[in-house]
Amino acid sequence: KQEVTQIPAALSVPEGENLVLNCSFTDSAIYNLQWFRQDPGKGLTSLLLIQSSQREQTSGRLNASLDKSSGRSTLYIAASQPGDSATYLCAVRHSTGNQFYFGTGTSLTVIP
Amino acid sequence: SQTIHQWPATLVQPVGSPLSLECTVEGTSNPNLYWYRQAAGRGLQLLFYSVGIGQISSEVPQNLSASRPQDRQFILSSKKLLLSDSGFYLCAWDAGFAYNEQFFGPGTRLTVL
Repeated sequence: KQEVTQIPAALSVPEGENLVLNCSFTDSAIYNLQWFRQDPGKGLTSLLLIQSSQREQTSGRLNASLDKSSGRSTLYIAASQPGDSATYLCAVRHSTGNQFYFGTGTSLTVIP
Repeated sequence: SQTIHQWPATLVQPVGSPLSLECTVEGTSNPNLYWYRQAAGRGLQLLFYSVGIGQISSEVPQNLSASRPQDRQFILSSKKLLLSDSGFYLCAWDAGFAYNEQFFGPGTRLTVL
């Protein structure tokens, strides 16, 4: 069974710092990997989707990379802002069906 | 543009009572639909998914059930709630192809007392 791990569980950084969030998965048979943001008590907001054939995707200050063979993805956030404070989740879609597997997330706090 | 709705937003129910949570999607046809549960301190757990009307796949055996009476409507139900059913329930959809993003609704916070 696919297992998705996100380290660290929590991260606190000063405003303006660049940071990297990590996601690892045990089974490389994936269709895609998706990064989400979740604010407290809210649903998930999609940030970036990387197909299994891609190496990275960029949106604004966010850059996500994927190394399928090693089972790793990173989310890079440039010039962090207090509004970036949230929990960030990664999810992988298995190549054989509609199953998604989520990590438990990294809780990010950006200090003004 | 596509929109996904869930209601109610919050719900407090006694143990043993029934449950019905509703999810609807606007602006798309024949979506894949999903129900997830997020328990405190834990990751999202996929409960059910549906690729079409009347087609439901269950990922986790439990006292919950799901139905899809219309193309863009997905309902999560229970005949008798347990304390362990408390959590944050999220509905999601994607366009039905493996390469598409999954989009989530605002969620329902269920507390079983």
